[in-house]
Amino acid sequence: ETGVTQTPRHLVMGMTNKKSLKCEQHLGHNAMYWYKQSAKKPLELMFVYNFKEQTENNSVPSRFSPECPNSSHLFLHLHTLQPEDSALYLCASSQPGDTDTQYFGPGTRLTVL
Amino acid sequence: QKEVEQDPGPLSVPEGAIVSLNCTYSNSAFQYFMWYRQYSRKGPELLMYTYSSGNKEDGRFTAQVDKSSKYISLFIRDSQPSDSATYLCAMRLTGANSKLTFGKGITLSVRP
Repeated sequence: ETGVTQTPRHLVMGMTNKKSLKCEQHLGHNAMYWYKQSAKKPLELMFVYNFKEQTENNSVPSRFSPECPNSSHLFLHLHTLQPEDSALYLCASSQPGDTDTQYFGPGTRLTVL
Repeated sequence: QKEVEQDPGPLSVPEGAIVSLNCTYSNSAFQYFMWYRQYSRKGPELLMYTYSSGNKEDGRFTAQVDKSSKYISLFIRDSQPSDSATYLCAMRLTGANSKLTFGKGITLSVRP
C-alpha cells in the first residue's frame, strides 16, 4: 500500500449506530488530519494530530471522537450522528515543517439515515 | 468577507481550450498557495504549489500568485477531457502547523 488509505470507502448508518472510520498513511509523516467535505462548501478541518497529540479541534461536536494510536494510524469514531453529518470524510497527512504539504486519502462517503 | 473566494462554476470548455481558474483571498499574511485536483470519488491530489508571489509552470499547468491583488490563478493549456475534475485552491500562513484554508472548488468539464 502506498500513500494514504481509508476504510471503509462507503458507509451507511442509522442515527443510533456506532461506527469507526480508519485512516493509514505509508508516507512516514508525523501529522494527520480529518476533514469534512460537503457539497458546495470548502473543506472543513475537523482535527489535527502532530506526533500523536491532538493539536486542533475545530469546534467539532462530541459525536465525532478521534483517536491517533501512532503516527501512521488515525480513527474517527462516530456515534448518534445526524443526517446533516452525511458527507465525504477525508484523511490527510503531512510532515510538519515549513512546506507541510498535505496528502489526502480517497475519503469515506458517509450517509446517515 | 470569506477568507478564500473561488468562482463556484461549473465550467465547461471544449478540448484544447485554455482554462483560467481563479481565487481571491482576504488575509495578506498567506504565503503558501496550492491547487488541488479532485477527481470524482477520489481525494484531492496536490497539483501545484507556490511560495509567495510569482509564476510556476509544470507542463500544461501554470500557477500564478499576485499578492498585491490577493489573487491566484491556475491556467491549463491545451485542456484535455482527463482534466475534467474539481479544482480546489488552498493557502496557508508561513510556519509549521498552520492550517490550510480552502476555496469551495470549481468543477471543470472538458468536452471532447
